[in-house]
Amino acid sequence: GENVEQHPSTLSVQEGDSAVIKCTYSDSASNYFPWYKQELGKGPQLIIDIRSNVGEKKDQRIAVTLNKTAKHFSLHITETQPEDSAVYFCAAKSWNNAGNMLTFGGGTRLMVKP
Amino acid sequence: KAGVTQTPRYLIKTRGQQVTLSCSPISGHRSVSWYQQTPGQGLQFLFEYFSETQRNKGNFPGRFSGRQFSNSRSEMNVSTLELGDSALYLCASSSGTSGGETQYFGPGTRLLVL
Repeated sequence: GENVEQHPSTLSVQEGDSAVIKCTYSDSASNYFPWYKQELGKGPQLIIDIRSNVGEKKDQRIAVTLNKTAKHFSLHITETQPEDSAVYFCAAKSWNNAGNMLTFGGGTRLMVKP
Repeated sequence: KAGVTQTPRYLIKTRGQQVTLSCSPISGHRSVSWYQQTPGQGLQFLFEYFSETQRNKGNFPGRFSGRQFSNSRSEMNVSTLELGDSALYLCASSSGTSGGETQYFGPGTRLLVL
């Protein structure tokens, strides 16, 4: 089955700096890669996703890049703000799977210091 | 549209008991997935229901079961509770029509087994 590794597990940055979180996956058949943000006491919220036919996707301060050859994808947050502090999860889904089963990485706790 | 709702939000049970959790998906969504979130194991997929049929199943023992009703609402049941079942149980809904669509998570039910 799919295995997703996420690094780092914790990340501390100064407000205004950039943050990068990296994930690797094992199943070359995976074709959908969402990123979720989870704040304390809440469920995960989708912030951006990318499909395997695209190498990069950007939404304001957030961008995701995908390298299918190397089987890794990354989340980039620019101009970080204190409200970006949360736990971020990457996930992968294989096209072999007809449904919506996601395999998640272990999570990254991002702390943005004012 | 109203988001995904889960009831109850918090639950305390003792070992050996059983528990039923409920999830109401976003209106029009036909796929409901369940995940278990623990500090040690992270987010793990339990099962997915689509049009009242289980479409995918994760690697959990048979004590974990679920069902989906004709209105797409879903319930999951855990029988013979163990201490290790203490976790945040999340459900996510999506349209379910093509697989790999955006999944929207509810706030979760926090289960504590004593």
